[in-house]
Amino acid sequence: AQKVTQAQTEISVVEKEDVTLDCVYETRDTTYYLFWYKQPPSGELVFLIRRNSFDEQNEISGRYSWNFQKSTSSFNFTITASQVVDSAVYFCALSEAGRNYGGSQGNLIFGKGTKLSVKP
Amino acid sequence: DTGVSQNPRHKITKRGQNVTFRCDPISEHNRLYWYRQTLGQGPEFLTYFQNEAQLEKSRLLSDRFSAERPKGSFSTLEIQRTEQGDSAMYLCASSPPAGLHNEQFFGPGTRLTVL
Repeated sequence: AQKVTQAQTEISVVEKEDVTLDCVYETRDTTYYLFWYKQPPSGELVFLIRRNSFDEQNEISGRYSWNFQKSTSSFNFTITASQVVDSAVYFCALSEAGRNYGGSQGNLIFGKGTKLSVKP
Repeated sequence: DTGVSQNPRHKITKRGQNVTFRCDPISEHNRLYWYRQTLGQGPEFLTYFQNEAQLEKSRLLSDRFSAERPKGSFSTLEIQRTEQGDSAMYLCASSPPAGLHNEQFFGPGTRLTVL
């Protein structure tokens, strides 16, 4: 069955430290999409990145980078030189798109989230 | 503001009462999703509309839950005979027509408290 696991419940770092948030997923589909969302204290989920299962290139966007490894079913997220404004709950999510198992309607399957606290 | 809006932002009700929440998606988005988020958990998918058609509703938590999107624009989520276990944040998201698995844009949510 499809599942997203974020084993780190809470992480606390000091500003300027690098931090990696782990995400492991399970799916029977060969075609799927992976996402990261940020939920700041205000509550609204903010989209960060989408990756499809055929694109294993790592991506960098400013201080953010993502490492996608199909061999280990992982899609990890690294924040370099963390800042206080990065404090939030971060969610990894999966959307299945393959035909073999009926696919999905694009609905997201979320992990439980990792709460990141960045202290000054 | 052209984002997804939800009303009300907060709702406190007594057990057994009916409640209705409204979601206004981004105007050109034809796909609309409802999720529920409880404390310490990630959002959980409830139902999905493409235009006015409800294409997935098997994940609605019980027959007390129903959703509509009558004209393919705004949507409502109704919970009948609320129970304390229904207390949660109810999130709405929308996405554009091009590509089923595009990013979803989330609203601020409606926080329901059932006393």
